[in-house]
Amino acid sequence: EAGVVQSPRYKIIEKKQPVAFWCNPISGHNTLYWYLQNLGQGPELLIRYENEEAVDDSQLPKDRFSAERLKGVDSTLKIQPAELGDSAVYLCASSFNAYSGGNTGELFFGEGSRLTVL
Amino acid sequence: TQLLEQSPQFLSIQEGENLTVYCNSSSVFSSLQWYRQEPGEGPVLLVTVVTGGEVKKLKRLTFQFGDARKDSSLHITAAQPGDTGLYLCAGEEAFYAGGTSYGKLTFGQGTILTVHP
Repeated sequence: EAGVVQSPRYKIIEKKQPVAFWCNPISGHNTLYWYLQNLGQGPELLIRYENEEAVDDSQLPKDRFSAERLKGVDSTLKIQPAELGDSAVYLCASSFNAYSGGNTGELFFGEGSRLTVL
Repeated sequence: TQLLEQSPQFLSIQEGENLTVYCNSSSVFSSLQWYRQEPGEGPVLLVTVVTGGEVKKLKRLTFQFGDARKDSSLHITAAQPGDTGLYLCAGEEAFYAGGTSYGKLTFGQGTILTVHP
């Protein structure tokens, strides 16, 4: 079975340019996460979807970041305009939560999209 | 949101040595997960601990959840170069949205382990 697929793996852009990342989660996983990870640090949650609903976007810088998961399957994360400080790895993860209120199950991560802003 | 402190931040050891990584918080977790991440890859789950005082073993790795469920440790016996990577703990707390309860994971800053042959 295919894992979480992300694209592109690498992206280099100049500051003020837009960029978009795409994620296809594991089939059947209802929960999708976007994380930001700086080098040698732990992932920081940007947004979490339960099916097509964003249930936690409190850490998403909404002035320049946006995300969508229109059909509750794949998702896109966009940055416009990008700033130098946005250089990082953007990780997508998915999980299957059988019911609300239970412990979070295993998160399956993609390989990440490494963004370099010049 | 809970803050998770991992220590040490960096660990460089020789093959065959033992090591322990710590994950601490002042808050109580409902569960705690440990992940390992290799360069250029996403984190991969090693174990989930749920019960206070719980000990789980995975080959040469031993995971312990504190009695009060505020802290956890990962002990590696006879480390090997293949153990090299970023070790992350992630604590879970309840999160409420739209009247529904979810579990929310918060990751520590990680421990970078390098095992030299």
